[in-house]
Amino acid sequence: DSGVTQTPKHLITATGQRVTLRCSPRSGDLSVYWYQQSLDQGLQFLIQYYNGEERAKGNILERFSAQQFPDLHSELNLSSLELGDSALYFCASSPQVGGGEGYTFGSGTRLTVV
Amino acid sequence: AQKITQTQPGMFVQEKEAVTLDCTYDTSDPSYGLFWYKQPSSGEMIFLIYQGSYDQQNATEGRYSLNFQKARKSANLVISASQLGDSAMYFCAMRQGYSSASKIIFGSGTRLSIRP
Repeated sequence: DSGVTQTPKHLITATGQRVTLRCSPRSGDLSVYWYQQSLDQGLQFLIQYYNGEERAKGNILERFSAQQFPDLHSELNLSSLELGDSALYFCASSPQVGGGEGYTFGSGTRLTVV
Repeated sequence: AQKITQTQPGMFVQEKEAVTLDCTYDTSDPSYGLFWYKQPSSGEMIFLIYQGSYDQQNATEGRYSLNFQKARKSANLVISASQLGDSAMYFCAMRQGYSSASKIIFGSGTRLSIRP
């Protein structure tokens, strides 16, 4: 157990629907990062939050949004889902921005859009 | 703009041999960090090793070492005495700077297969 908890582990939904992915960072970590990994692809950075504030944005679609709550857990909302949104979505956390010990990843949420 | 390049999509190595996974990077920021992650078939991302841009020594963690050549902008991962359990995808990653806007970007990965 890495200490980063992602729920649900698997999600199957239909095109056009909306889903919410949840992430609880490791205790004490203030930064949360979201990544998308499509089949046999690298990880694409979506968005970063630090202590409740958005800090960096990557290639995140307008149909996607995220937030980090006062208790530091984060949610990634995906709406108007398309087949191409099927992917493994990772959340990672770090204790301080710029930490050198590596970012701790959750086990991911595998989203399948049918 | 920052960029990570892994030019080896796949590699096959005999068990117990050493293997080098290539990684080159590009950044204009003098402060950066380089990471290697392992992703086995189960899907989780496992942190292996870290090298800071100002670190004088190459990082080592058990059987893993990072061959950091700053002038050439390369950060190759060396796995000594490979084992069957090393079969996985390996990703090189970089964090540019130490600011609050720092994020890690990943290369496209190398799939390593260890032959018994």
